[in-house]
Amino acid sequence: GNSVTQMEGPVTLSEEAFLTINCTYTATGYPSLFWYVQYPGEGLQLLLKATKADDKGSNKGFEATYRKETTSFHLEKGSVQVSDSAVYFCARLTGNQFYFGTGTSLTVIP
Amino acid sequence: DVKVTQSSRYLVKRTGEKVFLECVQDMDHENMFWYRQDPGLGLRLIYFSYDVKMKEKGDIPEGYSVSREKKERFSLILESASTNQTSMYLCASSSSGLGKNIQYFGAGTRLSVL
Repeated sequence: GNSVTQMEGPVTLSEEAFLTINCTYTATGYPSLFWYVQYPGEGLQLLLKATKADDKGSNKGFEATYRKETTSFHLEKGSVQVSDSAVYFCARLTGNQFYFGTGTSLTVIP
Repeated sequence: DVKVTQSSRYLVKRTGEKVFLECVQDMDHENMFWYRQDPGLGLRLIYFSYDVKMKEKGDIPEGYSVSREKKERFSLILESASTNQTSMYLCASSSSGLGKNIQYFGAGTRLSVL
């Protein structure tokens, strides 16, 4: 089937800590992969994307690499800030339809 | 900037009421989507539309209907609201152009059915 599995939360980190949020997918073919972020009280915003194997998406210090061999798209950031506190969603696109993971809540404490 | 506007941020309705959730986008996008977001379940697709007057069922269409009379507007209708439809509802739109299929989201409507 087609699905996206991401790391269960919530995650709590101290400021400047290293962040990894795991995401794996199952799909037929080669989907495009995305990370969306939802700040408190807002809708989802695109954070980064990758459209083919070995592509690296990056934005605001976040990175994720499309790994076909492990069907993964883990989100990383070297030094998180309080303002990164949000819910992060991994997603894949097949055709015109998105499939989202369940979301991982991140809280960064000063 | 792409703008997806949902008409209400918060709604409180009673069981059995007919509820309309409105969504408007200003980027001439062909595709529009309605999701509901619940803790631990992420986003689940209710309905989507690829063009005016076209609609397709998503993963959880039961208890909902939609209307797309104009390209920029996509309405979600709860014919007879029930308490299990209390949720956050998110509207999104995207273009069908190659490489342009990023989904843009509205701020959400938090619906409580009492």
